[in-house]
Amino acid sequence: DVKVTQSSRYLVKRTGEKVFLECVQDMDHENMFWYRQDPGLGLRLIYFSYDVKMKEKGDIPEGYSVSREKKERFSLILESASTNQTSMYLCASSQPGPMSDYEQYFGPGTRLTVT
Amino acid sequence: DQQVKQNSPSLSVQEGRISILNCDYTNSMFDYFLWYKKYPAEGPTFLISISSIKDKNEDGRFTVFLNKSAKHLSLHIVPSQPGDSAVYFCAASVANYGQNFVFGPGTRLSVLP
Repeated sequence: DVKVTQSSRYLVKRTGEKVFLECVQDMDHENMFWYRQDPGLGLRLIYFSYDVKMKEKGDIPEGYSVSREKKERFSLILESASTNQTSMYLCASSQPGPMSDYEQYFGPGTRLTVT
Repeated sequence: DQQVKQNSPSLSVQEGRISILNCDYTNSMFDYFLWYKKYPAEGPTFLISISSIKDKNEDGRFTVFLNKSAKHLSLHIVPSQPGDSAVYFCAASVANYGQNFVFGPGTRLSVLP
């Protein structure tokens, strides 16, 4: 059974703190993604990675960075957390291939509150 | 400006009846579409997909219809069950190995017993 896990379900941080969100997948997938989900806006792509040590900016990368040192792990970093980064963060993974394999597998999400 | 729109934030349907969830897109380059279902406190799970070479795809109670000229797709659930109550996201992509999807804002479906 495919599995994407995220290090925390709920997190409360203070403005200005450095925040690490960890994601691990056990499917040997090459692609990994970080999204944030906000009411009325759906899922918006922050960063993605096609391979170890590789990263690409998504639609809303400002204020975030990522790290992928190992294939199974993709970390999202908030260098200096701000209140507008309060959101649900979702990690996903997928395997490149023909269109029928485009499914992304999601973790349960981390609800981050920045006060 | 949102490239993928789901104009109904919520929908209520009686158990046993048909649920129709709509999705519109603006980018004519999109040629692969997915629907995801999301329960509270869980990540989205894949439901059904369709590529632009088709206009219909079925999987059990779920059918997705694609109208390329109208840039519109819809998800039909027949018959609807209370367990279908969830948020449904439409997602679109330009087919490549990048798999970068643009998600709509979601529609919350409530199936009433």
